[in-house]
Amino acid sequence: ETGVTQSPTHLIKTRGQQVTLRCSSQSGHNTVSWYQQALGQGPQFIFQYYREEENGRGNFPPRFSGLQFPNYSSELNVNALELDDSALYLCASSLKGINTEAFFGQGTRLTVV
Amino acid sequence: AQTVTQSQPEMSVQEAETVTLSCTYDTSENNYYLFWYKQPPSRQMILVIRQEAYKQQNATENRFSVNFQKAAKSFSLKISDSQLGDTAMYFCAFIDPYTGTASKLTFGTGTRLQVTL
Repeated sequence: ETGVTQSPTHLIKTRGQQVTLRCSSQSGHNTVSWYQQALGQGPQFIFQYYREEENGRGNFPPRFSGLQFPNYSSELNVNALELDDSALYLCASSLKGINTEAFFGQGTRLTVV
Repeated sequence: AQTVTQSQPEMSVQEAETVTLSCTYDTSENNYYLFWYKQPPSRQMILVIRQEAYKQQNATENRFSVNFQKAAKSFSLKISDSQLGDTAMYFCAFIDPYTGTASKLTFGTGTRLQVTL
């Protein structure tokens, strides 16, 4: 098992720019979820991908989009960055279903200036 | 929609003592899953303990145990014999099995626990 890895660990972008964050899921996991964690808050669910298809979305605008690849790795794309997008972005992978455990990456700290 | 509330933003406990973190939740479902996650300064979420709502017995994992009160929609975490390594943010989380999967969680706002000498 290699664990969940995210890249980059830190990133600074300018308002209006676009950003892509990456996540490599745990070996064998076919489901990936992305979360936004603002400072001092709990993680908020952005969306989930299962076998390359979006499988549920939280209350985030369309400028937050994602992809999942055949090897189950995933990307989170954010267009037209706003100052409020500054947060820790977490990726979690699991098998489909409830009776399994989700494993989290260490996150990407995004700062929008 | 389900909500999870943690009313204690910060807690402090001395090493070797016991501390209890509180969590309440709101759902209309009868079957669901509850979790406590730990987030140390390394930022990586680590599963501490899990409780299935249809199980009346409270879950226990070594020094960690829960007090699950389904009627009151309460799910507290007790940490016994606290250790310095327990210093972290603790998040209570919920999954509705009809709409969620293991990685689709609803989190509370967290409790920052500081273990002191």
